[in-house]
Amino acid sequence: QKEVEQDPGPLSVPEGAIVSLNCTYSNSAFQYFMWYRQYSRKGPELLMYTYSSGNKEDGRFTAQVDKSSKYISLFIRDSQPSDSATYLCAMSGNYQLIWGAGTKLIIKP
Amino acid sequence: DADVTQTPRNRITKTGKRIMLECSQTKGHDRMYWYRQDPGLGLRLIYYSFDVKDINKGEISDGYSVSRQAQAKFSLSLESAIPNQTALYFCATSDTSGSRTGANVLTFGAGSRLTVL
Repeated sequence: QKEVEQDPGPLSVPEGAIVSLNCTYSNSAFQYFMWYRQYSRKGPELLMYTYSSGNKEDGRFTAQVDKSSKYISLFIRDSQPSDSATYLCAMSGNYQLIWGAGTKLIIKP
Repeated sequence: DADVTQTPRNRITKTGKRIMLECSQTKGHDRMYWYRQDPGLGLRLIYYSFDVKDINKGEISDGYSVSRQAQAKFSLSLESAIPNQTALYFCATSDTSGSRTGANVLTFGAGSRLTVL
């Protein structure tokens, strides 16, 4: 079993929908939970990160961590075609990052 | 110019050839990493370096070697390329400010696509 599980998708939704992307993990030592966005033919770029449990909001994006369930989520409100990308979750407990496989998201105009 | 530059962006080579992928950064970060990305497998760490004299193996270092020529330069070599090393390779950097927060945020290059025939 992988330390971090993430559905590879693709996930296809209409423009304007609320998108929910998720990862589960097994290592309770993880303290930092990150979401990276990767456009086609580009490197991943940090979208946002959260320390421990709770929510963090940045514009249309909300990251949520539930440590009791070992489950993290990224919500995208009012999704736009420009949000079409692969979203990777990553987690760390001691500076080493463990990555999910990434979920490919397609927003249809 | 990009903060993290990788060359070449694309390379096709034959089995048994020696290949070098180069990475340079203008971020001033002390930590540098090489990852490979395969569909369905995500990012896997090959090697990482915390400074010029500190090089460490990642989870999939077999068949690869690295050289940290300067704080800003970190190259990855495949001494004798094989087809299952066909992948997208990323260089990334981070700085020790992450050691205060523990978050270890990475800045990635645009990637080098390697095909081994």
